[in-house]
Amino acid sequence: DTAVSQTPKYLVTQMGNDKSIKCEQNLGHDTMYWYKQDSKKFLKIMFSYNNKELIINETVPNRFSPKSPDKAHLNLHINSLELGDSAVYFCASSRGRGGPVLETQYFGPGTRLLVL
Amino acid sequence: GNSVTQMEGPVTLSEEAFLTINCTYTATGYPSLFWYVQYPGEGLQLLLKATKADDKGSNKGFEATYRKETTSFHLEKGSVQVSDSAVYFCALSGNDYKLSFGAGTTVTVRA
Repeated sequence: DTAVSQTPKYLVTQMGNDKSIKCEQNLGHDTMYWYKQDSKKFLKIMFSYNNKELIINETVPNRFSPKSPDKAHLNLHINSLELGDSAVYFCASSRGRGGPVLETQYFGPGTRLLVL
Repeated sequence: GNSVTQMEGPVTLSEEAFLTINCTYTATGYPSLFWYVQYPGEGLQLLLKATKADDKGSNKGFEATYRKETTSFHLEKGSVQVSDSAVYFCALSGNDYKLSFGAGTTVTVRA
């Protein structure tokens, strides 16, 4: 069984479109995250939710809106896609809220978004 | 804020060579430290971790020791294989509830 799954794996779309990426974890974790990895492999956190509550919201354009219908799912909706949104988006989950206590994050396989 | 600096790549090695990837950090308090690995086309996987000073994390022949005095967590492997070709990320988890990553180091091992 896949611990953290994302759909779709690949997403090619035109500028200006709206798209969603879905993430599900079956680990029973309380916290889920979205990361963006750029073409140079640099990883940056975008959002995190703990038990459906938003706890991290980095400086991300408000075209990006996360939604957590329950603690096992965290979806990412992107409005008015731009060329600069092309990247790999990773979902992750962890048992607690993070912090200095030992926290391992489990990552999904990534969604490769290409905006044309 | 918290930050991680790791040595820039790419690094190219021959099989059975010794690998070191340097990682230093800046953090308040006592963070947990991690190495994650990303194989081509895949997501990140935890390679090893350490939660307090002088802890040594180890897995798959890789080791890293949490050195508070030098704020470092260098990754080492004594004899690399072609299958170790990947991108390696140093990361820390601190008081800000975030996992802060280094820039990643691409390692290529040649047969």
